[in-house]
Amino acid sequence: DVKVTQSSRYLVKRTGEKVFLECVQDMDHENMFWYRQDPGLGLRLIYFSYDVKMKEKGDIPEGYSVSREKKERFSLILESASTNQTSMYLCASIHRSRSGNTIYFGEGSWLTVV
Amino acid sequence: DQQVKQNSPSLSVQEGRISILNCDYTNSMFDYFLWYKKYPAEGPTFLISISSIKDKNEDGRFTVFLNKSAKHLSLHIVPSQPGDSAVYFCAASAGPSDMRFGAGTRLTVKP
Repeated sequence: DVKVTQSSRYLVKRTGEKVFLECVQDMDHENMFWYRQDPGLGLRLIYFSYDVKMKEKGDIPEGYSVSREKKERFSLILESASTNQTSMYLCASIHRSRSGNTIYFGEGSWLTVV
Repeated sequence: DQQVKQNSPSLSVQEGRISILNCDYTNSMFDYFLWYKKYPAEGPTFLISISSIKDKNEDGRFTVFLNKSAKHLSLHIVPSQPGDSAVYFCAASAGPSDMRFGAGTRLTVKP
């Protein structure tokens, strides 16, 4: 079974704090993603990485950065948290096969910025 | 610009009846489509997928239909069960690093 683990399920941070969200996958997947989920907006892509030290901006990268120092770990960083970053954050990795790609999600991290 | 759209935010059906969830997309480069199911406070889980070379894929109670000319896909659940109550996300992919999601449809199956 593929396992994608997000280290923090629930966090409360103050405006202006630096926030780290950690994600680890155990299936040697090359591609990893960070999404945020908001009511009525679905899942929006923040950043993705297709290899160690490689990263690409998604649809809503502003206010975020990422780090991929090891293949199994993909971190999302909020340099200076703001209240509009209160959301559920989902990490995912992709299994690639001939028939297509299947994305596996972590359990999610609920971040509240006060 | 949302490339994948689920226009119905919610759907309510009676247990035992058919649930039909719809999804439209705009990017003709999408060649692989998936449905995910999400319970509250959990990450989405993969449900069923279909490649653009097919127009139907079936897995137990779940069937996905793809109409490429209309850029439309749908998920049929027959028969619907109360445990199917969740948010369903449609997703489309145009490559290994590209996966776009719809806004989700909340399905409620009433006993």
